[in-house]
Amino acid sequence: NAGVTQTPKFRVLKTGQSMTLLCAQDMNHEYMYWYRQDPGMGLRLIHYSVGEGTTAKGEVPDGYNVSRLKKQNFLLGLESAAPSQTSVYFCASSPGQRLGNTIYFGEGSWLTVV
Amino acid sequence: QKEVEQDPGPLSVPEGAIVSLNCTYSNSAFQYFMWYRQYSRKGPELLMYTYSSGNKEDGRFTAQVDKSSKYISLFIRDSQPSDSATYLCAPTPLGRGSTLGRLYFGRGTQLTVWP
Repeated sequence: NAGVTQTPKFRVLKTGQSMTLLCAQDMNHEYMYWYRQDPGMGLRLIHYSVGEGTTAKGEVPDGYNVSRLKKQNFLLGLESAAPSQTSVYFCASSPGQRLGNTIYFGEGSWLTVV
Repeated sequence: QKEVEQDPGPLSVPEGAIVSLNCTYSNSAFQYFMWYRQYSRKGPELLMYTYSSGNKEDGRFTAQVDKSSKYISLFIRDSQPSDSATYLCAPTPLGRGSTLGRLYFGRGTQLTVWP
């Protein structure tokens, strides 16, 4: 019962480097999301997807790109990492927009940009 | 003004105490109210949700919503050390064009229940 799996779990990047965070869900969910969590700021939505091949901007999209080529995967890319992107990143998925649908979160990816 | 305000705490109580966690919100479009629990170095997990004003009970947990004052509460009865976590309120709008994933999280309240 994997649920939502994020890789890698920990990563240290140098300023200007690029990287991709991978999110995979095995629940056949339509909706997927990327959030970041910072001390004192709570969880903020970066990008989300309401289906394969679709993406949309969330609250804090600048500096990130996403792709949803396969229904089960949602990739978050940092093209040129900055220290301000040091954060914990959470991927989430849900079946769709119905009352009572649960949103499931992954375990998180800790990213440090030096 | 943030759309959801939540006192971050920390809140420290003895085992067996009644805990009250609260949020206020400003967006009248919020119709669906969730509480998430997040243990240290883990992802948030859904604890409870409610749709209407009033109370909803689930074991030791009671969620309360007052839409007229835009106030959300979570009560924990007979608190246990295993309840030590961060609790996040997350209201969301419903309806055409919205998504249940577009949660507007509060900052979270860190709770410690000591034996």
